[in-house]
Amino acid sequence: GEDVEQSLFLSVREGDSSVINCTYTDSSSTYLYWYKQEPGAGLQLLTYIFSNMDMKQDQRLTVLLNKKDKHLSLRIADTQTGDSAIYFCAERVSGGYNKLIFGAGTRLAVHP
Amino acid sequence: NAGVTQTPKFQVLKTGQSMTLQCAQDMNHNSMYWYRQDPGMGLRLIYYSASEGTTDKGEVPNGYNVSRLNKREFSLRLESAAPSQTSVYFCASSGGTGGTTEAFFGQGTRLTVV
Repeated sequence: GEDVEQSLFLSVREGDSSVINCTYTDSSSTYLYWYKQEPGAGLQLLTYIFSNMDMKQDQRLTVLLNKKDKHLSLRIADTQTGDSAIYFCAERVSGGYNKLIFGAGTRLAVHP
Repeated sequence: NAGVTQTPKFQVLKTGQSMTLQCAQDMNHNSMYWYRQDPGMGLRLIYYSASEGTTDKGEVPNGYNVSRLNKREFSLRLESAAPSQTSVYFCASSGGTGGTTEAFFGQGTRLTVV
């Protein structure tokens, strides 16, 4: 079946790196996404990685994909208080439409 | 550029009442979705519409109906609200079956059923 799992909480000190992990089950996933949700807001796409890539870097964000282990991670360098939010991992599974399966979300708390 | 617009933002219903959540997108996207978000459970797909004129059940469709009125609009109806439907509802849209196909989300409707 299709399932995405992530830990629910992460607390880091301002200036440190944050690493949010995710595992997924569908080996036919084509794209994997990281979304950010700030309080009271909808989800916004942070970054994505295509399934034939193993790394993608975008400014402070680094996405690592281990397709063999079906493991995805998001690293945020120099974490700031403005990075405090819920981060959702999502996989796009194959099919006739853009079916996205979301994880439960990881709440990132950044403290001074 | 409005993106995905949902109304209302907040709603309180009594058990048994009905209501319709409205969603409209101005990005000419084919696919539209309704999700519900509950604490610790992420987003669960209620219904989706791959294109105008088609709708299909998602993971948790019971108690809901949808209408894809035209390409822009996709509404979600609760015929007889129950406390278990207390949740935050998100509408989303995406462009098609190719490309990055990211989903764009509305701001959400916070629904409380008492």
